Formats: sequence, structure tokens, C-alpha cells
Amino acid sequence: DAGVTQSPTHLIKTRGQQVTLRCSPKSGHDTVSWYQQALGQGPQFIFQYYEEEERQRGNFPDRFSGHQFPNYSSELNVNALLLGDSALYLCASSLSSGSSYEQYFGPGTRLTVT
Amino acid sequence: RKEVEQDPGPFNVPEGATVAFNCTYSNSASQSFFWYRQDCRKEPKLLMSVYSSGNEDGRFTAQLNRASQYISLLIRDSKLSDSATYLCVVGYNFNKFYFGSGTKLNVKP
Repeated sequence: DAGVTQSPTHLIKTRGQQVTLRCSPKSGHDTVSWYQQALGQGPQFIFQYYEEEERQRGNFPDRFSGHQFPNYSSELNVNALLLGDSALYLCASSLSSGSSYEQYFGPGTRLTVT
Repeated sequence: RKEVEQDPGPFNVPEGATVAFNCTYSNSASQSFFWYRQDCRKEPKLLMSVYSSGNEDGRFTAQLNRASQYISLLIRDSKLSDSATYLCVVGYNFNKFYFGSGTKLNVKP
């Protein structure tokens, strides 16, 4: 049973550039959430995708956008990168019809902006 | 005010000790509650969901107090392998989740 996978593992970008991160949910899951985790902090909710639409959004600027594909995989795009965007980006998947709303995380993409 | 607050610790305890963490949340409309464990530079892993009636999984017991808006996690007979950061998570509308900053536990021989 494949768990949540993310790519790439690490990424180094320059200020002002754009980045795309990818996520494949756990087998059987249809909902994908994205989080940003700065060093020493808990994950911060960016947004959630279900049925190829953004269902919920946290307090992140429009520079952060996403997409979900028919196979439930998802992308996170960040435009006009800032130094403060350096963080671990985590993808979590869950099942919308489940009663527990438990989320399972991928290993994350560590983004460094220089 | 943060949505979810936790004591950052660290909690330094000897093997075999019992340790308890608390977490408070600000939104009384919260609907789902979880504890996650995160090892250094790894992803969070679900430890257990927290139910109103309380629940236990081996050495771990979670409690929810809706009236006071806090969640607790009790670890009995601590093992070296329990050393990690424990994250409290609160969900709203079943699809928006807030994490605390985590409580660091160090179990020493």
C-alpha cells in the first residue's frame, strides 16, 4: 500500500523565482492538504484540495496556488519566492468520506530560497 | 492568539517515567482532535485521534475536555524511542486543521 509521496526531496531557488512541488496521495485517498513548516514551528495549513477544487485556505498570500488532478495527485506552486518561504513543505492526504478525518503526511520537500 | 497552544518543553524524563502533555485550543467549534509525533527532520506521523470519551492505545492515553478546550496526552512507561516532538492538532469544518508548535520530549536512560 503506497503511502504519500512528494517530489522533489530538496530544492534550492533564488528570490523572485517560481517553484512547483508535487504530491501523490495515499492509495484510496481523495483529499490533499498542503502545509508549510518553518524550523521549530508546527505545520501551517496552506490549503486543501478535493474534487480538483480548493476547498479551504489558510492565511497565505495568492502567491501560493495549487492544483489537483483527476488522479487525486496535487501540485503546490509558489510565485515570486521570498527568503521567508524557505521551509519544509508537507503534503497530507485523507479520505473525504471517512469519519475520522485522519491525515497522513508525505516526507516533505525542503525548499531553500537564497 | 494562536489557534492551538502547547508548552514547547523540552520535557526531560528518565526511562519508565510517566509524562503528560496538554494543549489548549481557542475555537469552541472545533470538531476533530489528534496527536501527531514528529521525529527530527521527518514528517509528522499520526499517533492517535482524540475522542470525547477519551481513548487509549497501549501506553498512550488521550483525553479531550471540550468545556475547558484542552486536550491531553499521557505516556506511561516512557521508552527511549518515545523521544520526539508531539504535535497537537485541531480540526474545523472537518477539513481545516491547525497544529500547535509541538512539545519536545527527551527520554533519557
